[in-house]
Amino acid sequence: AQTVTQSQPEMSVQEAETVTLSCTYDTSESDYYLFWYKQPPSRQMILVIRQEAYKQQNATENRFSVNFQKAAKSFSLKISDSQLGDAAMYFCAYRSATDSWGKLQFGAGTQVVVTP
Amino acid sequence: SQTIHQWPATLVQPVGSPLSLECTVEGTSNPNLYWYRQAAGRGLQLLFYSVGIGQISSEVPQNLSASRPQDRQFILSSKKLLLSDSGFYLCAWSVTGLGYTFGSGTRLTVV
Repeated sequence: AQTVTQSQPEMSVQEAETVTLSCTYDTSESDYYLFWYKQPPSRQMILVIRQEAYKQQNATENRFSVNFQKAAKSFSLKISDSQLGDAAMYFCAYRSATDSWGKLQFGAGTQVVVTP
Repeated sequence: SQTIHQWPATLVQPVGSPLSLECTVEGTSNPNLYWYRQAAGRGLQLLFYSVGIGQISSEVPQNLSASRPQDRQFILSSKKLLLSDSGFYLCAWSVTGLGYTFGSGTRLTVV
């Protein structure tokens, strides 16, 4: 079974600065998808960014970018120019490309605190 | 556009009472549907998933059950709630199985 590990329970960043969240996963598969979800205090889960394992190019969505290292099974999220609205819990998630059920395996989450 | 509705938003129920949480999806057909639970300050635990009407799979044995009476309706139930059933329940859907779209969640407190 695949496992997703987020080793940082909490990260603090000042406004306008950059923070990087780490995520590692364990899998024997070569084709899969990785995701970062944001959960603000409202607890609504919001998809931040998605990466397909067969794509070498790192995904980017505005101020959010990932560093995908397939051999190292690492999938970190970088938040640039941090804003107060970025304060939230961030979850890394894995989905096998061969799983027809489409189940996502989530990490334990990293709480991001943004200070003015 | 596809939307997902989940209700109620908040629920306080006594121990031993029944539970029914409902989730409906609009704007898509034959979605995969999921129920997750999130304990306070914790990650998400997959409870049930469904790929079609009447097709329910359970990830963990528990005091809960799920049903899918219609293509775009997913219901989470319990006959008798336990204190340990308290948590934040999230419904989600996926069509192609890529990412999920989540509902707004139900905060359940069992007292």
